[in-house]
Amino acid sequence: QQQVKQSPQSLIVQKGGISIINCAYENTAFDYFPWYQQFPGKGPALLIAIRPDVSEKKEGRFTISFNKSAKQFSLHIMDSQPGDSATYFCAASIMSTDKLIFGTGTRLQVFP
Amino acid sequence: ETGVTQSPTHLIKTRGQQVTLRCSSQSGHNTVSWYQQALGQGPQFIFQYYREEENGRGNFPPRFSGLQFPNYSSELNVNALELDDSALYLCASSLLGFSNEQFFGPGTRLTVL
Repeated sequence: QQQVKQSPQSLIVQKGGISIINCAYENTAFDYFPWYQQFPGKGPALLIAIRPDVSEKKEGRFTISFNKSAKQFSLHIMDSQPGDSATYFCAASIMSTDKLIFGTGTRLQVFP
Repeated sequence: ETGVTQSPTHLIKTRGQQVTLRCSSQSGHNTVSWYQQALGQGPQFIFQYYREEENGRGNFPPRFSGLQFPNYSSELNVNALELDDSALYLCASSLLGFSNEQFFGPGTRLTVL
C-alpha cells in the first residue's frame, strides 16, 4: 500500500520533444505528490508538486497531470532540452507527516 | 539563507564498523528526514526528527539511529555496518506543519567493504 510505481525506467527524447513520465500509487491517504530532479552526485531537487484537489499544475515547461480516480499522476516536460537530462523521481506523502515515498526513478536523456 | 549541508561527502568503512553522518538543516526548518538511496534506486525513508524527537521510522533495523540537536542539525548513526548499507545517504529538511517542501542535501556516499 505504500508503493509508488514509476515508468518508464529510462527515456530518450530528442531536443524539443515532450518527455512523459508516469506514476501510480495505492494509498488513498496520500495527499501530496512532488516530482524531484536529480543530477549525478547531487541530492534530489524539488521540481513541481501537486495536491489532489487539482487535476493539473504547470510551471514553465513542466506540467503535472493528476487523475485521482485512477490513482495516477504524470510529469510532462515540454520542449525538452539537453540540460534536462537527469533522473526524475515521483513521490507521494501524507501532508501532515512529510515522509516521502519515492518511485524507482526515470533516467531521461535528451539528445540535440 | 543557507541550504542543507551534509558531511562527510564520501566515506569508506569495513563491515562491522560504526559510522556517523551529519546534516545541517536549512535555516528556519524544524524537521530533518533521512533517506537511503541505493545505486539506481529511489530514496527510501529511514526516519524523521522533529523538535529533537524521532517522528516516524521506515523499515530499517534498530542499528540505524539518529539524533537531532537544539539547532535542528542531525546525525545518522549506523552500527555493525553490512555490505548492503553501501548507499547515498540523504537528509532533507522541512518546516513541518507549514509546508510540505523538503529540501535535500547533496548526500554522503558510504561504501562498506
